[in-house]
Amino acid sequence: EAEVAQSPRYKITEKSQAVAFWCDPISGHATLYWYRQILGQGPELLVQFQDESVVDDSQLPKDRFSAERLKGVDSTLKIQPAELGDSAMYLCASSVDRESQYFGPGTRLTVL
Amino acid sequence: QKEVEQDPGPLSVPEGAIVSLNCTYSNSAFQYFMWYRQYSRKGPELLMYTYSSGNKEDGRFTAQVDKSSKYISLFIRDSQPSDSATYLCAMRRGNNDMRFGAGTRLTVKP
Repeated sequence: EAEVAQSPRYKITEKSQAVAFWCDPISGHATLYWYRQILGQGPELLVQFQDESVVDDSQLPKDRFSAERLKGVDSTLKIQPAELGDSAMYLCASSVDRESQYFGPGTRLTVL
Repeated sequence: QKEVEQDPGPLSVPEGAIVSLNCTYSNSAFQYFMWYRQYSRKGPELLMYTYSSGNKEDGRFTAQVDKSSKYISLFIRDSQPSDSATYLCAMRRGNNDMRFGAGTRLTVKP
């Protein structure tokens, strides 16, 4: 069964450092989402791509976060510089239609 | 007030019990309603998707939507220890703009 792949699974960094997360969606899924999930809360959308175009990045803290999906396939989410409050699970999801979003296992970020 | 309210629990039930999980919402523009299951250290997995008010059944799971009361429910019959997870409700206005509840942590004891 096809799955969304994410790496790394865990990342520990110090504040002010740069971090990057990678996501490979299910083949053929044109829509890709990055979410942030703080412990004990539901996921919050950071950015949504349709192919290589950003559809919604209204909740992305653009002073420190950036996301790209250059060829409309895999995607990278970057944080620079990382802050203590960025500690969370970063989830990638993909979909071929609006009904079903398939999530990856996530990257758990700890900022010290 | 949050747009989507969900009791975080935790909820503990014996095996075989009927489980009821609920969410309320404040924005009547939400049209699509979903329930996700999230095991520890995993990403959410879609369980149920509904559009209209009423009930939708899939095996041991039943999703219920009451748009007039802005209230959605997920029922799990004959609960199993493998159902132990966090259950997230989610809803969407249109193409985008998904909103999740905080999740309810469920434990089913053998």
